[in-house]
Amino acid sequence: QVQLQESGPGLVKPSQTLSLTCTVSGGSISSGSYYWSWIRQPAGKGLEWIGRIYTSGSTNYNPSLKSRVTISVDTSKNQFSLKLSSVTAADTAVYYCVTGPRWLLNYWGQGTLVTVSS
Amino acid sequence: QSALTQPPSASGSPGQSVTISCTGTSSDVGGYNYVSWYQQHPGKAPKLMIYEVSKRPSGVPDRFSGSKSGNTASLTVSGLQAEDEADYYCSSYAGSNNFVFGTGTKVTVL
Repeated sequence: QVQLQESGPGLVKPSQTLSLTCTVSGGSISSGSYYWSWIRQPAGKGLEWIGRIYTSGSTNYNPSLKSRVTISVDTSKNQFSLKLSSVTAADTAVYYCVTGPRWLLNYWGQGTLVTVSS
Repeated sequence: QSALTQPPSASGSPGQSVTISCTGTSSDVGGYNYVSWYQQHPGKAPKLMIYEVSKRPSGVPDRFSGSKSGNTASLTVSGLQAEDEADYYCSSYAGSNNFVFGTGTKVTVL
């Protein structure tokens, strides 16, 4: 069974770049037909899809975040990453890495809280 | 893109049924059969309960069922149990390689 674990700074200053990594275990990130996604959830609020990457490197992003988001994959480390630039307090949220085929989100990491504050 | 619309709350007594709606447009819910439902307990990651409108992943009780009519999808939980108390989110493919979640519904077991 695929397992995902997010890692990265829990505190980011406004205007800086948020960087998170998701480490995949129990399967190869480069095998199969899975997409590797990032989802976020502000405290007490709903889920927001950030974007996803396929093992080919092809990416899809939420139009509302597209100008600030980069998702990349490192098959040698079995990891994929999220970079979100020019962050503000509105980007404070629990960030989840998730995977599944097509538009399914079968496997979720436990989530990591990122706070944007000076 | 706009979030799909769900009622903020729903409730039922143990053993009863509760149905949650998820309303979108012809560009998302109505246009594709890629509607999913997720259950989220406090402090936990969401769990996939229904995918492609009405399919259940392995291990999900058959008390959970999904359907769709036009631009509105629905999740029904039959035979409510205490552990079903959670937040529920729908999601849908929205075309052009885009994806959208619902606003979320808190289900309370009375």
